[in-house]
Amino acid sequence: KNQVEQSPQSLIILEGKNCTLQCNYTVSPFSNLRWYKQDTGRGPVSLTIMTFSENTKSNGRYTATLDADTKQSSLHITASQLSDSASYICVVRNWDTDKLIFGTGTRLQVFP
Amino acid sequence: SAVISQKPSRDICQRGTSLTIQCQVDSQVTMMFWYRQQPGQSLTLIATANQGSEATYESGFVIDKFPISRPNLTFSTLTVSNMSPEDSSIYLCSVSMGGTSYEQYFGPGTRLTVT
Repeated sequence: KNQVEQSPQSLIILEGKNCTLQCNYTVSPFSNLRWYKQDTGRGPVSLTIMTFSENTKSNGRYTATLDADTKQSSLHITASQLSDSASYICVVRNWDTDKLIFGTGTRLQVFP
Repeated sequence: SAVISQKPSRDICQRGTSLTIQCQVDSQVTMMFWYRQQPGQSLTLIATANQGSEATYESGFVIDKFPISRPNLTFSTLTVSNMSPEDSSIYLCSVSMGGTSYEQYFGPGTRLTVT
């Protein structure tokens, strides 16, 4: 079954701290995995896209990892800032249908 | 990249009425999509807007309820017809340029409340 599950559902951290968000998927066959950041009241903005052969990809303070064998991905945020407060959505593309399967997101709140 | 604008950004409508949402892209794009995001839920694809032909709808969505137009490569509209409170949601336009690992961009969304 094509599913994307994320954990935790919500997370509160202090400014300057690091955090890691998790994504497990059952989408098959796999095409690529994306992490999006969605600010409140805005559309999702892409952070990273990874294909089957990529293990790690960074975008500034955001680092995504992918383990295609275990079908797991993580998004690590370093030295968090107040502006990191948002929902982070893991999205997997199905190779056969070419459709994007969305996780329900992790809501991150960064406090000063 | 593609910059997407949507109109209106939000609206409050009475049940039984219809609302048309516009999506404008700053460049020609291969594919345009319409998504719905209900409170606390993930994004759900409503349909793929095809230029010059009828949209391709996902299971659970029908043309009579969500008619879509795409007259050219930069513009599309989604109409939410005969609205009920269950249609209260955020509606997002999305575009992509095509290709194997193609980037997909999202508009800011239209927040619809049906009373």
